[in-house]
Amino acid sequence: KNEVEQSPQNLTAQEGEFITINCSYSVGISALHWLQQHPGGGIVSLFMLSSGKKKHGRLIATINIQEKHSSLHITASHPRDSAVYICAVRGDTGNQFYFGTGTSLTVIP
Amino acid sequence: DTAVSQTPKYLVTQMGNDKSIKCEQNLGHDTMYWYKQDSKKFLKIMFSYNNKELIINETVPNRFSPKSPDKAHLNLHINSLELGDSAVYFCASSPVRAGGYGYTFGSGTRLTVV
Repeated sequence: KNEVEQSPQNLTAQEGEFITINCSYSVGISALHWLQQHPGGGIVSLFMLSSGKKKHGRLIATINIQEKHSSLHITASHPRDSAVYICAVRGDTGNQFYFGTGTSLTVIP
Repeated sequence: DTAVSQTPKYLVTQMGNDKSIKCEQNLGHDTMYWYKQDSKKFLKIMFSYNNKELIINETVPNRFSPKSPDKAHLNLHINSLELGDSAVYFCASSPVRAGGYGYTFGSGTRLTVV
């Protein structure tokens, strides 16, 4: 079993819909990251969280340390949001990294 | 200005060859990483260097050897390439060693071993 599980694996949404991607992890962490991989392959770091909630534009990321769960929300989704979203955690000793398998999002106009 | 640059972008080579992938960052970050993304798009960390010091060395065949001449560069050398080494390799950097801040990724190097 992977230390980081994401759901759903694939997601198709209509433009304008509110989208949620979930991430659960089973290890102690020092930080959780949300990454976005574009269809062309490039990877962008969206958020780093160790507690609470962060917002950047239409993107919101939350984390519940007790429940070992994080969510990435996209409000007013747009076709340019189509990408793979990857949840990654850094272990609490600082030297381990674990990655989810990614959620492939397609937003249809 | 490209923050994290990798070269080459594409690399096709025969089994048994030795090849290198270069990575440079101009962000002044202390820590650099190499990640491997397999055909199923699964990312896995390979190495991490902080100020030229190796701090993460995951279970990777010893055919893979990172080299960091200075904190702005982290190159990946691969000896005796095998078919299973075909993947996209990403370099990244971050400003702190532990505790975690956001990463900046390079655009990836697609390695194909034939």
